[in-house]
Amino acid sequence: EDQVTQSPEALRLQEGESSSLNCSYTVSGLRGLFWYRQDPGKGPEFLFTLYSAGEEKEKERLKATLTKKESFLHITAPKPEDSATYLCAVRVNRDDKIIFGKGTRLHILP
Amino acid sequence: GAVVSQHPSRVICKSGTSVKIECRSLDFQATTMFWYRQFPKKSLMLMATSNEGSKATYEQGVEKDKFLINHASLTLSTLTVTSAHPEDSSFYICSASSGPYEQYFGPGTRLTVT
Repeated sequence: EDQVTQSPEALRLQEGESSSLNCSYTVSGLRGLFWYRQDPGKGPEFLFTLYSAGEEKEKERLKATLTKKESFLHITAPKPEDSATYLCAVRVNRDDKIIFGKGTRLHILP
Repeated sequence: GAVVSQHPSRVICKSGTSVKIECRSLDFQATTMFWYRQFPKKSLMLMATSNEGSKATYEQGVEKDKFLINHASLTLSTLTVTSAHPEDSSFYICSASSGPYEQYFGPGTRLTVT
């Protein structure tokens, strides 16, 4: 069964304290892995797409990496405005569906 | 680019009435649109996938007669919640895709059924 697991469920960091969020997946065939940011009461905002192992993408304080089993979202020197829920999703070959993880709630303390 | 809008952003309706939610892709043509439901502090639950001009494909457990989806054009899809009940209260989010790549999400609609 295709599955996406995100860890940790919640993470509290001090401003400036770098860390990584994990997204591990077991799927029949990966067509793409996506990272989204979601603020409370809002729709998810697209961040990155990764297609193959070894690929990396960066945007401001965020950097996403991909291996054959997992993806990491690294956040460097975070600021309070980076507080949000970060969602990972994968698109699978089998039926072209997108499967979402449950998200990591990130809280950056000033 | 890749902006998706939803209307209304919030709606309160009485039990037994129907509510229509619109999803529009503003700056691109969406060959596929998706409707999700999200409960508090939970992830997105896919309800259905719709392609322009054809019937929507519903996920297992989603009542197609209750959640009517119409994808009339490449920029507009609608979700109608028929005979709404309090348990239908939720956050409904649409997304749109122009190809086999990333989806772009709307801002969501908060439905409250009293």
